[in-house]
Order: sequence, then C-alpha cells, then structure tokens
Amino acid sequence: GAVVSQHPSWVICKSGTSVKIECRSLDFQATTMFWYRQFPKQSLMLMATSNEGSKATYEQGVEKDKFLINHASLTLSTLTVTSAHPEDSSFYICSARLPTGGLDNQPQHFGDGTRLSIL
Amino acid sequence: LAKTTQPISMDSYEGQEVNITCSHNNIATNDYITWYQQFPSQGPRFIIQGYKTKVTNEVASLFIPADRKSSTLSLPRVSLSDTAVYYCLVGVPGGFKTIFGAGTRLFVKA
Repeated sequence: GAVVSQHPSWVICKSGTSVKIECRSLDFQATTMFWYRQFPKQSLMLMATSNEGSKATYEQGVEKDKFLINHASLTLSTLTVTSAHPEDSSFYICSARLPTGGLDNQPQHFGDGTRLSIL
Repeated sequence: LAKTTQPISMDSYEGQEVNITCSHNNIATNDYITWYQQFPSQGPRFIIQGYKTKVTNEVASLFIPADRKSSTLSLPRVSLSDTAVYYCLVGVPGGFKTIFGAGTRLFVKA
C-alpha cells in the first residue's frame, strides 16, 4: 500500500534553533501534501496544504513565516519550524493523497509523525 | 466540509463487537465517509471508506443509511490492540483538505 515516511521521528533542540521535518511519499507521486499539528489528548489540527511547485496554503492562525513549507518535488515536502520555542513543542504529522486518476475517493495516507521538543 | 459528531469515548471488552456511530447531518452529495485509527505517537491509519450502504474489508465494516446523515464503524471481536482513537471524516478525499473532528477514544479491556 501507499507509504508516507517522515523524518526525523523525534527531535529535541534548544530554543531559538530551526528544525526541518521531511515528509516523503515512498511509492507514489503526491502533488499535494498536508501538515498537521497535534497536542496531547487533542485531535489533529491542519496547519497547511503543501502544493508541489507553488506556495503552501496556510490555515487561519498559522504563521507562514514561522512554519516554512517547501514542496520542491512530487515526493518530498518539508516543514521548517523557524526559531523554535517551547510552545512549538508538539507532534507534527504529514499526509499525502494518492493521485486521483480521475477518482474522487482516494484517501489520505499519513506519516508516523515527528515529535518535536523544544527546551 | 461537513461537520462530524462522535462519542468522545467508549469502553469495551475483548472479543466484543464495537460499533462507533458518527453523525454528519450536512453531508454533501459528493462526500465520502472515511474512518481512521490512531495509536499514541503514530499517524492516523486508514481503516475504511464508503459512500452508501455497506462496505466491508478485512478489519471493519461501515454501515451507511440511505440518508447518509450518519455512519457506523463496526469492529468485530475487538482485542486489546484495538485500543485507539477513531476518527470519522466526511468530504471529498481526492479534492479537498481533511479536517479532523475530536474522534472517539476506544478503550478495550481484558
């Protein structure tokens, strides 16, 4: 089945540093990927939609200068948390959709998430 | 995007059948119903998807009444490893972004 891989799975860094998270679609090309954030005991919150070859679309309240998204190829999207602070500590999850092939019912496939801890 | 309502939590015992119902009163004609399972510190995993009537795969069944305003995920003979959060999503999977509701926290006891 479709596989989405995230790297790293866990990162701890000091406040003020920038952290890059990679999301790869391993066996299919994804023109669109999504980035979510999840706090403990809460649901996933959509942060942005990453579009290959164009700018990402951010959800209301998500700082685009804080969370930089790059989708330079059909198999890779990256999320960079710039100048991270403790409040940015969270579980970040990406997803990708299989090419629709004219069908509307292709579900999203999710990576296993990246746990980010800012000290 | 149609809003969904699910029970916050459910308890069950091993070997029982578990039915989780999701309400989606404003579902649109082109919307599909998709269920995901999420374990702690993992991304959601696709379980099943349907448009109408009944869909069954190797892990679950999905029942959708004719008016499509609700759906029920059925997990046969649950085990401890089925303890997870289950999300019901409604939308056009191939066309629009996915918004997660609160999900149902299922706890399976021995």
